[in-house]
Amino acid sequence: NAGVMQNPRHLVRRRGQEARLRCSPVKGHSHVYWYRQLPEEGLKFMVYLQKENIIDESGMPKERFSAEFPKEGPSILRIQQVVRGDSAAYFCASSQNVAGEETQYFGPGTRLLVL
Amino acid sequence: AQSVTQLGSHVSVSEGALVLLRCNYSSSVPPYLFWYVQYPNQGLQLLLKYTTGATLVKGINGFEAEFKKSETSFHLTKPSAHMSDAAEYFCAVRSSYNTDKLIFGTGTRLQVFP
Repeated sequence: NAGVMQNPRHLVRRRGQEARLRCSPVKGHSHVYWYRQLPEEGLKFMVYLQKENIIDESGMPKERFSAEFPKEGPSILRIQQVVRGDSAAYFCASSQNVAGEETQYFGPGTRLLVL
Repeated sequence: AQSVTQLGSHVSVSEGALVLLRCNYSSSVPPYLFWYVQYPNQGLQLLLKYTTGATLVKGINGFEAEFKKSETSFHLTKPSAHMSDAAEYFCAVRSSYNTDKLIFGTGTRLQVFP
């Protein structure tokens, strides 16, 4: 069984460009979470999505960041007009979110470097 | 609000020695607790989790953790360290019953010396 897939694994952008990060959850999982890991820090929750719905975006910066999880296709985390402070590893996780199966399965991450 | 504290950002042990990584949590509801391991430039892999029931939880690679409600702790242990255990370890708590959103500690980097 394929786990959570993320691409690209590495992404380099110049300041002001856009970054698009993709996440395909485990087959059968309908819940997706995005986390950000800054250098030498733990993971910080950004957003929680179900198909076509944003459930909790309390960890998303108010500007430049957006996320979607369409009916078909992967979840997308989009960062507009990137700045150097956006350089981090972005992890996607998926779960079934049913009683008795609370585990989140993480992808390998996308490492964004803003020059 | 839920939070996680991991005491010791770096832990060093000799191969064959006991591994003890500390995790204390704060939660307004009965917690679901997790330990994840992260190898360099990789994603997080679940080691073990506590939801309900038995407070001593066994995970992969010989790790185990004990949920102690009175101490609000969920320390991770392994009787004998192996070189391959060198990695970053994260403790996490689920933030509420309504969501699987995880609150992570800042991590503990484990070094194993021969």
